[in-house]
Amino acid sequence: ELKVEQNPLFLSMQEGKNYTIYCNYSTTSDRLYWYRQDPGKSLESLFVLLSNGAVKQEGRLMASLDTKARLSTLHITAAVHDLSATYFCAAAKLNTGTASKLTFGTGTRLQVTL
Amino acid sequence: SAVISQKPSRDICQRGTSLTIQCQVDSQVTMMFWYRQQPGQSLTLIATANQGSEATYESGFVIDKFPISRPNLTFSTLTVSNMSPEDSSIYLCSVAEAHETKWVYEQYFGPGTRLTVT
Repeated sequence: ELKVEQNPLFLSMQEGKNYTIYCNYSTTSDRLYWYRQDPGKSLESLFVLLSNGAVKQEGRLMASLDTKARLSTLHITAAVHDLSATYFCAAAKLNTGTASKLTFGTGTRLQVTL
Repeated sequence: SAVISQKPSRDICQRGTSLTIQCQVDSQVTMMFWYRQQPGQSLTLIATANQGSEATYESGFVIDKFPISRPNLTFSTLTVSNMSPEDSSIYLCSVAEAHETKWVYEQYFGPGTRLTVT
């Protein structure tokens, strides 16, 4: 059974600081997703990581994947208040079908303070 | 990306009743999924909605409690039957679309239906 763990669960950081959210998964997965969720809203897709060593960046967010360590990271550079949200990682089980089911991590609630 | 709408956006229901949630997509999609997000929790997959056949349920979820229909490639419904307060959650519809690499699928989520059972 695929399990996904995130840490930290809650992160309070000052504007301008850097930090990393970690996502570990338990068994072989063929892709890793990162999502953002604002309070009372649905999930917004941030990144899809497909292969070992994959790195993707959008603005102040950068995601990477190490399949050997079964670890993905979401790095926040020079945080701003607008980044305050809950961030989820999700791993996809290998399936025989064309799409895979997602197993979500616990989520990291990020609060950026002024 | 596909635009997904859900109805209702929220509802308050009495225990013992049933609620049907609708999910409409603006384009034909092969894969549709239903997830549950309990208050302050992560998302859990309920089932894969298969067009023209019975849904595929995850462990812990059964058809009698969560019947799903998928009459075509743009629409699905999830019914929460014989509700109890433990069913209070956000229910989200999700669709999978081919990524830039065809064998990989992006998954997008609808706005969710916030259900409170009293």
